[in-house]
Amino acid sequence: EAEVAQSPRYKITEKSQAVAFWCDPISGHATLYWYRQILGQGPELLVQFQDESVVDDSQLPKDRFSAERLKGVDSTLKIQPAELGDSAMYLCASTGQGASGELFFGEGSRLTVL
Amino acid sequence: GDSVTQMEGPVTLSEEAFLTINCTYTATGYPSLFWYVQYPGEGLQLLLKATKADDKGSNKGFEATYRKETTSFHLEKGSVQVSDSAVYFCALSNTGNQFYFGTGTSLTVIP
Repeated sequence: EAEVAQSPRYKITEKSQAVAFWCDPISGHATLYWYRQILGQGPELLVQFQDESVVDDSQLPKDRFSAERLKGVDSTLKIQPAELGDSAMYLCASTGQGASGELFFGEGSRLTVL
Repeated sequence: GDSVTQMEGPVTLSEEAFLTINCTYTATGYPSLFWYVQYPGEGLQLLLKATKADDKGSNKGFEATYRKETTSFHLEKGSVQVSDSAVYFCALSNTGNQFYFGTGTSLTVIP
């Protein structure tokens, strides 16, 4: 069964360092999302892509976060510099034609900032 | 804006007990409604969904009915098992493929 791939699964870094997460959506899914999930809370949208274009990045802290999906397939989310409050699970999800409106999630990348 | 409100947890039940997790939504138009489940250390996975009013979604013994008149999508299961212990999220999607999630309800089932 096709899956959304994410890496790394776990990342520990010190504050002020740069961090990057990678996501490869299910093949053919045009819409890709990055969510942040703080422990005990629901996922919060950071950025939504339609192909290579950003549809919604209104909740992305643009002073330190950036996201790209250059060829409309895989995507990278970067944080620079990382802050203590960025410790969270970063979830990638995708959907598209044939997905019956369902959102498919990867296993997530857990970030710990020390 | 669109939003989802779900029952806060945590919820602890004995095996074979009846489960209800309440979910209400606010949306313009006609959203699709979902329940996602997250097991420890994993990403979210779809449990069930309903795309229009009066639809009932069901999977693995769980059910939820899309009630437009009460803007609700409550999750129910008649007899929970230890393996159902997880966090459950109610969600909606609108015509722009935007998804909104509730804060999650943690369920622990004890033998």
